[in-house]
Order: sequence, then structure tokens, then C-alpha cells
Amino acid sequence: AQSVTQLDSQVPVFEEAPVELRCNYSSSVSVYLFWYVQYPNQGLQLLLKYLSGSTLVKGINGFEAEFNKSQTSFHLRKPSVHISDTAEYFCAVSDYGGSQGNLIFGKGTKLSVKP
Amino acid sequence: EADIYQTPRYLVIGTGKKITLECSQTMGHDKMYWYQQDPGMELHLIHYSYGVNSTEKGDLSSESTVSRIRTEHFPLTLESARPSHTSQYLCASSEAGQVKSGELFFGEGSRLTVL
Repeated sequence: AQSVTQLDSQVPVFEEAPVELRCNYSSSVSVYLFWYVQYPNQGLQLLLKYLSGSTLVKGINGFEAEFNKSQTSFHLRKPSVHISDTAEYFCAVSDYGGSQGNLIFGKGTKLSVKP
Repeated sequence: EADIYQTPRYLVIGTGKKITLECSQTMGHDKMYWYQQDPGMELHLIHYSYGVNSTEKGDLSSESTVSRIRTEHFPLTLESARPSHTSQYLCASSEAGQVKSGELFFGEGSRLTVL
């Protein structure tokens, strides 16, 4: 069975500082990996995804993530955050060839950017 | 901007009432989903559908039911609401297929409070 662990429930940072949101997954098969963002009082939207190929993937709003198969990780990074990045971020995994292809989500990390 | 809509956004009702949460999408997506979201917890898949007349139960057992009579519409019903049903319910849709199934488009959510 797959699972996703987001190691930090809350991450406070100052504006213009770098940030890393950590995500580890557990799966016995190859996976697709996703990061979603949820702004206050809104639904989730796709930030970026890893399907295959280059392990460094770039998403919207200057975010990027690196797939590390040996460490089963998919950490999200941004070199300089803005106040508007304050939101909750969810890591998710989907397995190859799964009968449903449905996503398994982590518990989320609340990023709080302070001026 | 995603074209998926949920109503009502907020609902406060008494125990024992029947409620229906509406979800509609205009993207022609075959797959639709209902997730339950509670603070500090993973998003849990409670129902999904591959298309018209298809409904499946998700990973989390739920007393709610769903129907898919039209491609664009995927309502969720609780016959007799209880305080334990208090939660945020997120509707989502995606194209069919293994890869595309991971790229979900979410509505803004329906926050249900049962007194």
C-alpha cells in the first residue's frame, strides 16, 4: 500500500527567505508524484508533477521539486518566498498501473510567510 | 481557472436532516471524486466515478451516497446527518487515464456543520 508522509505540519518563514517542504512516500511500485497548493477558503490546485524523465521538475509560482528515488522523497523548494505563498501544501502519490489511478495525499504542510 | 463548482459553500444543519452537496464541472471530464478534508489530516477519498452510471467507494468508509446520471454532475447525499459528518467536502474532476487521473481540478469545497 502507498503512503505519503509530510514531515512538517507547519513551516514559518520570513519573506524572501528560501523554503523547503519535505515529502516522503512509501510504495512498492513506481509512482507518479504531485504537489498541490490550497490557498485559504479555496480548493486545491496543481503546483507541479513528476511523471518520468528529469528528476527536477518546475512548477508554477517559482516552485520546484526534486524526485529522489533512493530516498523516496519529493521535497518542494522555493529560493525566495512571498507573502502570497502563504497556503497549505499537499504532497500526493499515484502508482503506475494501479487499477484506479487515484491519488494518496499527505496531511499537508502549512506555510506561513511573515513580513 | 478551473470550471468546477460546488454548492453550498457553507451549510449548518441539525442532526437527522437530509442534505445534498452539489458538484458540477464544465470541462467534460470523465472522472469525478469526492474527498473529505479535516484539519491536520490527509485528504480522504470517499467516492469516485469513472463516468455516467459509474460510482465507486473510496479509501475512507462514508455513510454518504453519490450518483452520476450526467457527465457534468456528481452530487453527494447524506440521508440523515450527524455531528460526526461535520467536515469539509471537496469535489474534483480529471480526465481519464493513468497519468491524467493525477491531475485533479478541485472545487472550492463545501463546509458542513451538523449540530
